[in-house]
Amino acid sequence: TQLLEQSPQFLSIQEGENLTVYCNSSSVFSSLQWYRQEPGEGPVLLVTVVTGGEVKKLKRLTFQFGDARKDSSLHITAAQPGDTGLYLCAGIGSARQLTFGSGTQLTVLP
Amino acid sequence: DTAVSQTPKYLVTQMGNDKSIKCEQNLGHDTMYWYKQDSKKFLKIMFSYNNKELIINETVPNRFSPKSPDKAHLNLHINSLELGDSAVYFCASSPSDRGTEQYFGPGTRLTVT
Repeated sequence: TQLLEQSPQFLSIQEGENLTVYCNSSSVFSSLQWYRQEPGEGPVLLVTVVTGGEVKKLKRLTFQFGDARKDSSLHITAAQPGDTGLYLCAGIGSARQLTFGSGTQLTVLP
Repeated sequence: DTAVSQTPKYLVTQMGNDKSIKCEQNLGHDTMYWYKQDSKKFLKIMFSYNNKELIINETVPNRFSPKSPDKAHLNLHINSLELGDSAVYFCASSPSDRGTEQYFGPGTRLTVT
């Protein structure tokens, strides 16, 4: 079974601060996705990273796929209250199905 | 113009009852999924259908039976509901069965009393 551990599990910060969320596994994934989920809604895809070492930017969000394709990170610069939500990483492995991480609940206080 | 829709949004029922959750996608996708999200927000795949054929069937009690009448619909029927079935169930779809670009519905919160 391919497992994805996210850290931290909970993160509460002030508006304007920077933060990094980590997604780690002992397994190799062909690609990795990050989703954000808001209360009462389904997860929404933010980005897909495919190549080891790949870095993608989405406005203030920077996503990185580890060189060995076993881990990923999400960095948010100057967080805003609108960034509040549950961040989920998800990897696609040999079974071609998504395995979701344990999630990081981010709260950005005004 | 909702992409992936589910009904009902909330479902409260008693143990032992049988219930169904419906899902429809208007994205023209070939693949649809059912996921279960527990109280700790962990999201786990239950089933996947590609062009109406079952391709993923995780270790789920056989009280859960998915049905796909056509590519745009994937319903979930649950027999003899148990307390432990309480969770949020999400339907999702993707253009292919390679797992990429999944689009999720709003979820159905099932509470079994």
